Amino acid sequence: KAGVTQTPRYLIKTRGQQVTLSCSPISGHRSVSWYQQTPGQGLQFLFEYFSETQRNKGNFPGRFSGRQFSNSRSEMNVSTLELGDSALYLCASSLTTGLINIQYFGAGTRLSVL
Amino acid sequence: DQQVKQNSPSLSVQEGRISILNCDYTNSMFDYFLWYKKYPAEGPTFLISISSIKDKNEDGRFTVFLNKSAKHLSLHIVPSQPGDSAVYFCAAVSGGATNKLIFGTGTLLAVQP
Repeated sequence: KAGVTQTPRYLIKTRGQQVTLSCSPISGHRSVSWYQQTPGQGLQFLFEYFSETQRNKGNFPGRFSGRQFSNSRSEMNVSTLELGDSALYLCASSLTTGLINIQYFGAGTRLSVL
Repeated sequence: DQQVKQNSPSLSVQEGRISILNCDYTNSMFDYFLWYKKYPAEGPTFLISISSIKDKNEDGRFTVFLNKSAKHLSLHIVPSQPGDSAVYFCAAVSGGATNKLIFGTGTLLAVQP
């Protein structure tokens, strides 16, 4: 079974630009969550999508948005990029059928904002 | 407000010995906890989980202990192997219809041959 796939793996953008990251979950997984990892803040939850609906949102500004398609694939968009948005963006998918929902992560997209 | 804390940024152990990684939390409403391992340039890999109604869960060389009264959990790796060298994160979920993981800051484990 293929794992979680994130594209692209690396991105370089300049301040003020916008960026779209893509995530393909494990087949059959309907929940997709996004996280930001930075050296200073660690791993922080951005948002979760389930059946094309945002189910939960972290404490990030409105410049960070996402969506989920009917095939469970998800995209994350960051508008008006700032230097502080440089980070590893991780996507995770989950089955959400049990008491404990294991999230499986992709390798991430490394975003550098210059 | 750091709800999940890993107070040891790094830990070094000898191959074959026990590695003990610790995690403290402040929110008594967490429903379950997970441990992830992360290598550089890769996403976190799930290791083991524990429900808040349990106090121990074991999977091969990995055992997680939960002490709810102390709001403390620990991951034991026995025996430690050089391939275990990685950053270990504990994470918590507060339940409801959510998969929001709240992560600790991580502990870098180095297993010396």
